[in-house]
Amino acid sequence: EAQVTQNPRYLITVTGKKLTVTCSQNMNHEYMSWYRQDPGLGLRQIYYSMNVEVTDKGDVPEGYKVSRKEKRNFPLILESPSPNQTSLYFCASSPTGKVQPQHFGDGTRLSIL
Amino acid sequence: DAKTTQPPSMDCAEGRAANLPCNHSTISGNEYVYWYRQIHSQGPQYIIHGLKNNETNEMASLIITEDRKSSTLILPHATLRDTAVYYCIVKMDSSYKLIFGSGTRLLVRP
Repeated sequence: EAQVTQNPRYLITVTGKKLTVTCSQNMNHEYMSWYRQDPGLGLRQIYYSMNVEVTDKGDVPEGYKVSRKEKRNFPLILESPSPNQTSLYFCASSPTGKVQPQHFGDGTRLSIL
Repeated sequence: DAKTTQPPSMDCAEGRAANLPCNHSTISGNEYVYWYRQIHSQGPQYIIHGLKNNETNEMASLIITEDRKSSTLILPHATLRDTAVYYCIVKMDSSYKLIFGSGTRLLVRP
């Protein structure tokens, strides 16, 4: 089954403790992206990647890092999480071709205390 | 990317057609109209997209006006599982980026 898989689905942690949210897709998609969703602010793009070793900032990249060493994986790294990064996070992917629809994961709910 | 305007909420009866409007009066010639939905806090789900012609797939139909300034998503026989927030997004064919607005919260009543 074609899917985008995020782990963990839920995480409660403390300020300053490094964490990684993994994202993996099995559709051989070139494009991958991370969004965060907050009440009243909608979904906002954090980072995106056009292909392996090609990443770029979205609208709200501060406090986040990403890497794209393999085509299928696009982890989101919070080196020193802070409470304002408490949010619902989504990973998405799509094939090459900007008209192609994006496929989203089921989300990761992070709470930073 | 052009801005879209959607009603904040709508409701319809189960089994009836749900018609969700979207206004995108500043759309340009190379911008597509996409519809996604989000059920509760799950990941957004792609529904359909189009440029100027009407489109239909197994989930819905997309009707785009001739001047392309507005569109309507039609769910022909709404079920309770169609209760969700529906997002109308206008995106340039040269961009991957999706800009989500606040969407329309559709409630399907039994």
